Amino acid sequence: NAGVTQTPKFQVLKTGQSMTLQCAQDMNHNSMYWYRQDPGMGLRLIYYSASEGTTDKGEVPNGYNVSRLNKREFSLRLESAAPSQTSVYFCATRGGGRADFYEQYFGPGTRLTVT
Amino acid sequence: GNSVTQMEGPVTLSEEAFLTINCTYTATGYPSLFWYVQYPGEGLQLLLKATKADDKGSNKGFEATYRKETTSFHLEKGSVQVSDSAVYFCALIRNTGGFKTIFGAGTRLFVKA
Repeated sequence: NAGVTQTPKFQVLKTGQSMTLQCAQDMNHNSMYWYRQDPGMGLRLIYYSASEGTTDKGEVPNGYNVSRLNKREFSLRLESAAPSQTSVYFCATRGGGRADFYEQYFGPGTRLTVT
Repeated sequence: GNSVTQMEGPVTLSEEAFLTINCTYTATGYPSLFWYVQYPGEGLQLLLKATKADDKGSNKGFEATYRKETTSFHLEKGSVQVSDSAVYFCALIRNTGGFKTIFGAGTRLFVKA
């Protein structure tokens, strides 16, 4: 039971390059989230998916797109990377059962640098 | 709107000292409250939670009480260890609007041996 996994762990991009961050979960959770973490700013929600086939914008969606491929996978795409997107990106799920209905489960993060 | 404010860090303590990290929130209705912890190089993990007023969440020697009258959820531990060095995030969630979690900015704790 791996929980929430993310690939890659580290990535360096040049300005203008594109890439996709992958996230997969084996927890059978409906809801999945993408956050970015910047120093002194906590976590900011980029996009979320309440269930397979649906996605919604969060607090900072500009410059990103997402795909909820199936229940397990939720990818984040940067079409044209900018230095302002240098950050640590976390994927998370949220449980739907009564015992852990509100708790979020996080992946280990992807550290992205855009030069 | 909903928001979470927690004390700025870093907080530096000696081993076995008493820890308090303050957290206050703004939210309509009755949110659930959480403390998450992030160890170096890792993602966040739930430390404790409280889902209604006067609930006390506890785990690994940490405690926090949901105080609706003061809209607070302060984190405490009686005797910290070096292994408690991490970043601590206070957070809330409401059961409306897609169940989005609102996080505080995080408080970094350093514990010296």
